Amino acid sequence: SQELEQSPQSLIVQEGKNLTINCTSSKTLYGLYWYKQKYGEGLIFLMMLQKGGEEKSHEKITAKLDEKKQQSSLHITASQPSHAGIYLCGADNGYNFNKFYFGSGTKLNVKP
Amino acid sequence: DAGVTQSPTHLIKTRGQQVTLRCSPKSGHDTVSWYQQALGQGPQFIFQYYEEEERQRGNFPDRFSGHQFPNYSSELNVNALLLGDSALYLCASSFSGQGAFFGQGTRLTVV
Repeated sequence: SQELEQSPQSLIVQEGKNLTINCTSSKTLYGLYWYKQKYGEGLIFLMMLQKGGEEKSHEKITAKLDEKKQQSSLHITASQPSHAGIYLCGADNGYNFNKFYFGSGTKLNVKP
Repeated sequence: DAGVTQSPTHLIKTRGQQVTLRCSPKSGHDTVSWYQQALGQGPQFIFQYYEEEERQRGNFPDRFSGHQFPNYSSELNVNALLLGDSALYLCASSFSGQGAFFGQGTRLTVV
């Protein structure tokens, strides 16, 4: 089965600082998804990356996919308390059936 | 569009009991997947339903079963509940493999 490792496991940053979360796959990535989750709630879709070198941005969040390294990074610029939560990366199994594998998540706290 | 809706939001059951969780997919979606998320961990794939049949299954025992109805809504049933079944159960819907939208989840506590 595909495994995704996220780092760091948790992160505390001062408001206004930039931060990066990494997600590394043990197998070939066919599609990499980033979600945000508030504690005990559902997952909010952030971005999907499918091609090597692809980079997408939404507001102050940018995600990149390095196909060769089988790795994706999520970068938040000028963090705000509203960015706090758990960030999860997920990957599908390549059969287009959305059988996702998830990383264990990165817990982000932003200090005002 | 209501998105993916799950019910109930919270549930407390006793060991050995049975539980049924429900999911209504996003309008236009035909595929429903279920995930179990233990505290502090990422979601784990349970199974996926398409055209009223289980299409894929993760590493979960037969105590976990499901159903999909003609209107694409789905149920997750867990028999003989164990304390370890306590988790957030997430439902995700999609259409022909395009994206996955998640519901808010059902928090199941087994005591």
